[in-house]
Amino acid sequence: DQQVKQNSPSLSVQEGRISILNCDYTNSMFDYFLWYKKYPAEGPTFLISISSIKDKNEDGRFTVFLNKSAKHLSLHIVPSQPGDSAVYFCAASKYGGSQGNLIFGKGTKLSVKP
Amino acid sequence: DTAVSQTPKYLVTQMGNDKSIKCEQNLGHDTMYWYKQDSKKFLKIMFSYNNKELIINETVPNRFSPKSPDKAHLNLHINSLELGDSAVYFCASSQVMLAGGTSSYNEQFFGPGTRLTVL
Repeated sequence: DQQVKQNSPSLSVQEGRISILNCDYTNSMFDYFLWYKKYPAEGPTFLISISSIKDKNEDGRFTVFLNKSAKHLSLHIVPSQPGDSAVYFCAASKYGGSQGNLIFGKGTKLSVKP
Repeated sequence: DTAVSQTPKYLVTQMGNDKSIKCEQNLGHDTMYWYKQDSKKFLKIMFSYNNKELIINETVPNRFSPKSPDKAHLNLHINSLELGDSAVYFCASSQVMLAGGTSSYNEQFFGPGTRLTVL
């Protein structure tokens, strides 16, 4: 039973355009969400996070939007660069629950073409 | 300057063998984790240790035994390896903060992974 879903296994975007990666979750107890980026043969690298008390968090070219009523979050990358090509994982967790128990989606492979 | 390191990076072994994967973090974090990424690419938590104490054990077979000699190290020992154990294993660490009796934590930092292949 997948509690965190990334329904698009891959996404291809032209350099300079916006990349939008989507994530849906089913557990309404989740209140902390993270995006990780992963290059081949490396471990995931933290990118950006958002608490459920917010609906938007921005860090440079990366913005995460959270729609709690829809149980949906998205990661926007503007402008996209070839170096952004990687697999992006969405993850969710609960404060006060098992410490650090992150539930990951299956990932979306982003390809940014020059 | 590696924050979370794992050894070995690749491990190929026969069914029935016992093997260990080591993990070390130099971030001063008090919580460490082991994740398994299977062939379907799902990253699933296996164990979590906070200050050398087991916090999470996600229904992992008892052939898997984590050991934390100190809070900078969390090693994973696997007995009687099976074909289904083939996967990439990631170690991670984070700093857990307590506020008003409720745990909260920062993002987890991952190691580069150990690709285990059981023949």
